[in-house]
Amino acid sequence: SYVLTQPPSVSVAPGKTAKITCGGNYIGSRSVHWYRQRPGQAPMLVIYYDSDRPSGIPERFSGSNSGNTATLTISRVEAGDEADYYCQVWDGSSDHHYVFGTGTKVTVL
Amino acid sequence: VQLVESGGALAQPGGSLRLSCAASGFTFTNDAMAWVRQAPGKGLEWVSSISGGDGRKNYADSLTGRFTVSRDNSKNTLYLQMNSLRAEDTAVYYCAKLFRLRGVPGRVEFFQHWGQGTLVTVSS
Repeated sequence: SYVLTQPPSVSVAPGKTAKITCGGNYIGSRSVHWYRQRPGQAPMLVIYYDSDRPSGIPERFSGSNSGNTATLTISRVEAGDEADYYCQVWDGSSDHHYVFGTGTKVTVL
Repeated sequence: VQLVESGGALAQPGGSLRLSCAASGFTFTNDAMAWVRQAPGKGLEWVSSISGGDGRKNYADSLTGRFTVSRDNSKNTLYLQMNSLRAEDTAVYYCAKLFRLRGVPGRVEFFQHWGQGTLVTVSS
């Protein structure tokens, strides 16, 4: 089955930029979606189709996808961005599976 | 959009539970739905999904046929019947509404809205 690998943790100072990577074999040929999960809360979609933002998600959140790596970028990081972030793709090679990345905990220093 | 799960409880190994997800705020009949779980301190794992039109069902390979997803469109409710429960099924189970983006290359489908989850604990 398809595997998505994320760094376990990323630390960033307020006002700086956080980059969260999601590695997968030829992931650039797939569409990647990102979710934020604050402590004790349900996940929430923050980026879909590699780089589109749902309504209500600030422009500080952006995404890119190429080659073997997709990236979620959070600019001007705020304390409220501290959360776990997961990437996700649809894996058509294994009978309609939805695959999540291993997750990255973003800590705001 | 609102998704409200219920049915989570403490269950014995080998036992059964049925989870429900009451949906509102959208045309439930038309949309694919899914269950995603999260074991304590772990990441997200897709469990099952069911389409809106023909009710086609799909499951994670790891479930080995123990779980059954269904929906009652007249009640706007999604279900997950869980049998032969194991300790490793202990998790928060989230109901999610799927969205498929049309008119783009490839299959683009993601979990657009999520419920707050219901906790299933399997222990003797």
